[in-house]
Amino acid sequence: GAGVSQSPRYKVAKRGQDVALRCDPISGHVSLFWYQQALGQGPEFLTYFQNEAQLDKSGLPSDRFFAERPEGSVSTLKIQRTQQEDSAVYLCASSLAEGAKNIQYFGAGTRLSVL
Amino acid sequence: GENVEQHPSTLSVQEGDSAVIKCTYSDSASNYFPWYKQELGKRPQLIIDIRSNVGEKKDQRIAVTLNKTAKHFSLHITETQPEDSAVYFCAVPRWGDDKIIFGKGTRLHILP
Repeated sequence: GAGVSQSPRYKVAKRGQDVALRCDPISGHVSLFWYQQALGQGPEFLTYFQNEAQLDKSGLPSDRFFAERPEGSVSTLKIQRTQQEDSAVYLCASSLAEGAKNIQYFGAGTRLSVL
Repeated sequence: GENVEQHPSTLSVQEGDSAVIKCTYSDSASNYFPWYKQELGKRPQLIIDIRSNVGEKKDQRIAVTLNKTAKHFSLHITETQPEDSAVYFCAVPRWGDDKIIFGKGTRLHILP
């Protein structure tokens, strides 16, 4: 079956624009995570969904960041009024079981560049 | 909160030799410890994980050891090959919630 799919792979935005990043997790996976990875750094947790419920959004850096997973499958990460410091790779990961103590399967990421 | 430190940040190893990367963590309640490999421009992929009820786990050339008392776990790669060149990340899920903390990564270079 298909792995975790993210789109677009690359996004260039002008400062102040809104962007939407999409994640298609592995079918049937309960858990979905979003991470932000700056160049040369490890992934940093943004938010966690268990099915359609957003159980943890403590990693979202500001109220310009918003994520949803309305039907418990596809998820969208939205960034409003993008700033240069938002430039990073945004990774999505899904996991079959609940919680963070299981194998996470990552997508290839969306590289966001804010000019 | 959970603090994860990974060392070294860069490691160069002659092909065929062994490589060891270490992570320390702060929350003694943590009980799941994965290692991810990320090749340049690619997605992170799990290579091995260990739970706190065992002290060591091996999978061919890769092993992970866990010292719960000292709160550290290590990745061991034996008989290194060129395809082992990548960035390796340890990760520790924070106890009680679903946030996972990644180390800053170790860039492993396998020298010919």
